[in-house]
Amino acid sequence: EVQLVESGGGLVQPGGSLRLSCAASGFTFRSYWMTWVRQSSEKGLEWVANINQDGSDKNYVDSVKGRFTVSRDNAKNSIYLQMNSLRVDDTAVYYCGRGGEWFDPWGQGTLVTVSS
Amino acid sequence: TVMTQSPATLSVSPGERVTLACRASQSVSNRLVWYQQKPGQAPRVLIYGASTRATGIPARFSGSGSGTQFTLTISSLQSEDSAVYYCQHYDNWIIFGQGTRLEIK
Repeated sequence: EVQLVESGGGLVQPGGSLRLSCAASGFTFRSYWMTWVRQSSEKGLEWVANINQDGSDKNYVDSVKGRFTVSRDNAKNSIYLQMNSLRVDDTAVYYCGRGGEWFDPWGQGTLVTVSS
Repeated sequence: TVMTQSPATLSVSPGERVTLACRASQSVSNRLVWYQQKPGQAPRVLIYGASTRATGIPARFSGSGSGTQFTLTISSLQSEDSAVYYCQHYDNWIIFGQGTRLEIK
């Protein structure tokens, strides 16, 4: 069974940092682009970042460029999202998804709350 | 490219045919996907390439359209189809629509 499991969310103050992880299983992880998408009540679903199979190509939505970094470890079947300089409007459920253009499946999500 | 879905909310009786619309502000060819999201769950892909059903998706779900106008049709609504439905394009960028909430009468 193809499965994605996110972790690392939590409550953080504005300006703080968090590192999200997404552990994959049930498929040949190193063969797929992987993506982070977030969902908030204010903005709905928003693509955040993606990374290609060997980590050499990474793309970001403008609002997170310079603050977020996506990475992967193919030996551990995992991707990561390092989030620095967090802002209140980064508050959302963060999902990882298999694929670079459309996403199947998605993980269950991890909640990130940025608040003082 | 802005993706606009209509209607925002729809209430339909079981067994009826349902059509959801998604309009792109500029052409996205057929690079469009539909997702279903139930409360407390992650989105699940239904249709990709505008009209190809994803693995395991019931045949009552179908997608059509190209360019700027797309539709998702549920041929005979079931109670378990109550959800929010999102379109998303993947033509040079990745943008989601705001969703259509489908309620069962």
